[in-house]
Amino acid sequence: ELKVEQNPLFLSMQEGKNYTIYCNYSTTSDRLYWYRQDPGKSLESLFVLLSNGAVKQEGRLMASLDTKARLSTLHITAAVHDLSATYFCAVVGGATNKLIFGTGTLLAVQP
Amino acid sequence: GAGVSQSPSNKVTEKGKDVELRCDPISGHTALYWYRQSLGQGLEFLIYFQGNSAPDKSGLPSDRFSAERTGGSVSTLTIQRTQQEDSAVYLCASSLRDYQYNEQFFGPGTRLTVL
Repeated sequence: ELKVEQNPLFLSMQEGKNYTIYCNYSTTSDRLYWYRQDPGKSLESLFVLLSNGAVKQEGRLMASLDTKARLSTLHITAAVHDLSATYFCAVVGGATNKLIFGTGTLLAVQP
Repeated sequence: GAGVSQSPSNKVTEKGKDVELRCDPISGHTALYWYRQSLGQGLEFLIYFQGNSAPDKSGLPSDRFSAERTGGSVSTLTIQRTQQEDSAVYLCASSLRDYQYNEQFFGPGTRLTVL
């Protein structure tokens, strides 16, 4: 059974600091997604990572994938308050492409 | 273009009542998924449709839950004899059947509260 673990569960950061969110998954998958969720809102797609060594960057966020280690990271550079949200990683589970989600990381960026 | 829409946005019901939740996928998207987000269980898959058929119902938590899709478009998730543990946000997502880049687009969700 495919399981996805994410840590930390909660991250309080100061503006301007850097930090990394980790996503581990238990079995082979060919795609990994990162989503953002604002309070009371739905999921917004940030990145899709398709292959080993893939790196995607958008603004202050950078995601990478190591399929051999079954690990993805979401790196936040020089955090700003607008990045405060919950971030989920999700791995494709099986031929139906259903998503198996991590527990989520609640990011709070303090001014 | 319109995104995935869901209705109602909020639903409050009494324990034991039946509820129906509706999802309108993005036009042309043949794949449709239902997920549930709750405090205790996080985000979990419920059911997958390809066209009108549901080849993967493995996430439905009990036989009180059922879903159908008609015309390859609108889907309805029905919960019979609701229980308090059914309280959650129910999310619908749709995607094109493109193996290389099968991004799922999520609707705003229906928040279900069972009293």
